[in-house]
Amino acid sequence: NAGVMQNPRHLVRRRGQEARLRCSPMKGHSHVYWYRQLPEEGLKFMVYLQKENIIDESGMPKERFSAEFPKEGPSILRIQQVVRGDSAAYFCASSPPLARVNEQFFGPGTRLTVL
Amino acid sequence: DAKTTQPNSMESNEEEPVHLPCNHSTISGTDYIHWYRQLPSQGPEYVIHGLTSNVNNRMASLAIAEDRKSSTLILHRATLRDAAVYYCILEESDSWGKLQFGAGTQVVVTP
Repeated sequence: NAGVMQNPRHLVRRRGQEARLRCSPMKGHSHVYWYRQLPEEGLKFMVYLQKENIIDESGMPKERFSAEFPKEGPSILRIQQVVRGDSAAYFCASSPPLARVNEQFFGPGTRLTVL
Repeated sequence: DAKTTQPNSMESNEEEPVHLPCNHSTISGTDYIHWYRQLPSQGPEYVIHGLTSNVNNRMASLAIAEDRKSSTLILHRATLRDAAVYYCILEESDSWGKLQFGAGTQVVVTP
């Protein structure tokens, strides 16, 4: 039973380019969460999605960032026109539907470096 | 945003127990207490959770104060693989799904 998969594991972009981060949840999980960890800082919640719906995007920056979790395929976190301050580790987590307690299973992360 | 307070770091000898305290004085009656840990260069890993009663699992024990304003994560026999940052998190009932990580406690295990 594979865990949460994220790719790429490392991504290098130049300022102004777009970054696409992919997350495949665990089998049977329909809830996906994205977190960001800036260098030397703690993890910050970004967005919570269920299939085809955004449930909570209170942690998403207002501009340049978007997330989706389509009916088929992985969840995508998209960052347009990246800036150096976007350099961070981005973690995806998933959880099963109808869970009484929110135990989240995290992936290994994508480390984004903006040159 | 985080509503928990933890010491910055704790040190333990291998094979000895580790008691990690967490204060959460603003906890409400329906908030769950979660503990996650993050090993170097890895994603966070669920450790344990509780609501009111003490909890045990294969990784750790969670002792919750009677007034629920504090809790303690207990690692019964620390190993070198337990060296990580441990996060105490309140899952608030009105923002289910949103885990708010604080700074956590860096646990150092010495042989």
